[in-house]
Amino acid sequence: AQSVTQPDIHITVSEGASLELRCNYSYGATPYLFWYVQSPGQGLQLLLKYFSGDTLVQGIKGFEAEFKRSQSSFNLRKPSVHWSDAAEYFCAVGPRGGYNKLIFGAGTRLAVHP
Amino acid sequence: EAQVTQNPRYLITVTGKKLTVTCSQNMNHEYMSWYRQDPGLGLRQIYYSMNVEVTDKGDVPEGYKVSRKEKRNFPLILESPSPNQTSLYFCASSLFGAGANVLTFGAGSRLTVL
Repeated sequence: AQSVTQPDIHITVSEGASLELRCNYSYGATPYLFWYVQSPGQGLQLLLKYFSGDTLVQGIKGFEAEFKRSQSSFNLRKPSVHWSDAAEYFCAVGPRGGYNKLIFGAGTRLAVHP
Repeated sequence: EAQVTQNPRYLITVTGKKLTVTCSQNMNHEYMSWYRQDPGLGLRQIYYSMNVEVTDKGDVPEGYKVSRKEKRNFPLILESPSPNQTSLYFCASSLFGAGANVLTFGAGSRLTVL
């Protein structure tokens, strides 16, 4: 069955520290890959996506993610976290050839200490 | 402004009292979908619609109904709400399907069923 795993439920980092949020997927073929962010009281906003090509993708707000086929992973990174990055982050996959839904991970809640 | 609008944003109701959560998009998108978000479970798809008059079940459709009479609107109907439907609900849309297309999300509707 298709699934997305975000192993870290909560992560706390200090402002200015680097960040890596993990995402692993289980699927027969490389799916489309997404990271969304949900700020408190708001809907989900797309941070970045991977469809094909360069495995290191750049997104908004200084985020980047790297697709590693051998590890079925799509980890999100940011070199220096800002207090405004505190939010919940969701990894999602969209099956190639399937158009009915995205499959979301359980989310990682990020707290940022001053 | 391109957006997905959900109403109401917050609702407290009682078991068995029918309610409708409206969803409207102004981007001429073909695809619309409803998700529910629960702690530790991420977002799970309730129903989706690939086009007007075409709807289908997602992963957790029990207790919900939808209709798609116009391209822009996709209401979620709870005929007889129960406490296990207490959740945060999101409507989303995209140009054609979910997979290779980015979803645009509404701000969410927090529903409490007593």
